[in-house]
Amino acid sequence: QQQVKQSPQSLIVQKGGISIINCAYENTAFDYFPWYQQFPGKGPALLIAIRPDVSEKKEGRFTISFNKSAKQFSLHIMDSQPGDSATYFCAASMDTGRRALTFGSGTRLQVQP
Amino acid sequence: GAVVSQHPSRVICKSGTSVKIECRSLDFQATTMFWYRQFPKQSLMLMATSNEGSKATYEQGVEKDKFLINHASLTLSTLTVTSAHPEDSSFYICSATGSTEAFFGQGTRLTVV
Repeated sequence: QQQVKQSPQSLIVQKGGISIINCAYENTAFDYFPWYQQFPGKGPALLIAIRPDVSEKKEGRFTISFNKSAKQFSLHIMDSQPGDSATYFCAASMDTGRRALTFGSGTRLQVQP
Repeated sequence: GAVVSQHPSRVICKSGTSVKIECRSLDFQATTMFWYRQFPKQSLMLMATSNEGSKATYEQGVEKDKFLINHASLTLSTLTVTSAHPEDSSFYICSATGSTEAFFGQGTRLTVV
């Protein structure tokens, strides 16, 4: 079964700190790795995504680090803010995102003021 | 970014009745739409994949006679939960892909009483 394992399950960070969430995958056919942010009662919103030909991608305060040989990728949120408090899901897909996504189990992030 | 509209956002129905959820891509043609289900504090689980004009492909364990999916046009897919029971209460989320990544609807909270 295709799986994406995500950790930690929950994370508490002080305002201004760095939030780090990690994911590992098994299927080497995956070629698209997005991160989603979800607020309660809402659908997931795409934050940032990476493809395996790149080891790092940065957009504003959000950075994805990708380690193809280890089959791991992580999300770093710099200067974390209380408004970042949400659940974050990593995911993986084939065919550059045109196939269904396999989601990680989610990380509930709480940024304390 | 692209917009996917899902309706209704909340619905309460009586046990034994049917409920239809609509998913529309507003500014692009969605060649493929996906339906996910999310239980409280859990991840998104793929239910089925639908391509315009063809029968949906259901994931293992998802009853296709209970969860009817119709993808009649490149901008509209519907999920009908037939003979709903309390255990069908969940958050249902659609996503649509065009030529690139998937975009998600706002989700539908279904409560069966």
